Amino acid sequence: DTEVTQTPKHLVMGMTNKKSLKCEQHMGHRAMYWYKQKAKKPPELMFVYSYEKLSINESVPSRFSPECPNSSLLNLHLHALQPEDSALYLCASSQGDIPSYGYTFGSGTRLTVV
Amino acid sequence: KNQVEQSPQSLIILEGKNCTLQCNYTVSPFSNLRWYKQDTGRGPVSLTIMTFSENTKSNGRYTATLDADTKQSSLHITASQLSDSASYICVVSDPSGGSYIPTFGRGTSLIVHP
Repeated sequence: DTEVTQTPKHLVMGMTNKKSLKCEQHMGHRAMYWYKQKAKKPPELMFVYSYEKLSINESVPSRFSPECPNSSLLNLHLHALQPEDSALYLCASSQGDIPSYGYTFGSGTRLTVV
Repeated sequence: KNQVEQSPQSLIILEGKNCTLQCNYTVSPFSNLRWYKQDTGRGPVSLTIMTFSENTKSNGRYTATLDADTKQSSLHITASQLSDSASYICVVSDPSGGSYIPTFGRGTSLIVHP
């Protein structure tokens, strides 16, 4: 298995809703990432988990809450989002603390906040 | 600050023609450089990856070159197809801190017309 799987592919949520994005990989990668991408812009790093521990949080608002239950799974919990949070959310994984030959992206979740 | 600059911003070519996309970077130290293809609303897909010691890498009709001295890379697409229409993103990794967090270029939007 050489894929990063993200679910759901599309999500529409109200500003008072609570939802979660899920990401799964079975390549043995020990670093996992959440990125946010607006249209026609490069991905922006949100969080990095290395060996299941949060290693980088790029000053992301607390309405986004990451969770890494185990080395294969990464969640992003969403609560009280704003319309400007609408974007493509990408998960990626890499082999960790070595040159990142295995930096692989998922297909993304298209999030719309109404 | 690490930067990755891509040119042109957009490009329109006819099916069957060749094209070359450029990437200049200031990332230092340098770990590796990757070219990704991203279809609209989808996650980036890796095309090539090169370390500082590699000058060229091919993947089918895609050939990437790297000049680590001038900090320049190019992606050459041969005999373009309609399915090559996408955004092409240059990504350079900096190994400082052991996290290999990449710096993304803004991408070149390629449109292939029949």
